[in-house]
Amino acid sequence: ETGVTQSPTHLIKTRGQQVTLRCSSQSGHNTVSWYQQALGQGPQFIFQYYREEENGRGNFPPRFSGLQFPNYSSELNVNALELDDSALYLCASRASGRASETQYFGPGTRLLVL
Amino acid sequence: AQTVTQSQPEMSVQEAETVTLSCTYDTSENNYYLFWYKQPPSRQMILVIRQEAYKQQNATENRFSVNFQKAAKSFSLKISDSQLGDTAMYFCAHLKTSYDKVIFGPGTSLSVIP
Repeated sequence: ETGVTQSPTHLIKTRGQQVTLRCSSQSGHNTVSWYQQALGQGPQFIFQYYREEENGRGNFPPRFSGLQFPNYSSELNVNALELDDSALYLCASRASGRASETQYFGPGTRLLVL
Repeated sequence: AQTVTQSQPEMSVQEAETVTLSCTYDTSENNYYLFWYKQPPSRQMILVIRQEAYKQQNATENRFSVNFQKAAKSFSLKISDSQLGDTAMYFCAHLKTSYDKVIFGPGTSLSVIP
């Protein structure tokens, strides 16, 4: 186990709803990245937070947003859910803002949009 | 755009045997990092091995080693003395240091057969 936790483990929502996923980073880590992993695919980078500021974003629309708190835990918010948002959402933390540092993944939240 | 290709969607290997997973990537950069991640059925992604492009020596971690061919943009993973616990999805990933975002390949599903 990596020390990164995510909640909830599973979630079912309907199209158009909003969802908030949570991530607690490993102790001492100030950077959190979020990934979307569709079934049978590799993770796709959504965005990254470093010391409470977003400092990198992948090709995801603005309805994907996030927060990082002073204790470096993080939230991923998705508005106006679409069927294609069904996926495993992974967060990963690392000790610094440098992407070359090893990142440690949480177990993920499985989101199903009906 | 950065791409990472894993041409073997599925592979199997007998316990105690050796298996090699293939990965190619596309980059015009000279400095970058390459990673192999393992995602067992329990879902938690863990780092197996990393390689820094400016280091000519191939990285090794216990039973795991890589064959890094920079000119060919190839980064294969060799697993020696395969164990049942090696059964997992394996993702090759590339980080361009100036881009600060990790790009994952589609993965190879490895099954270790007793």
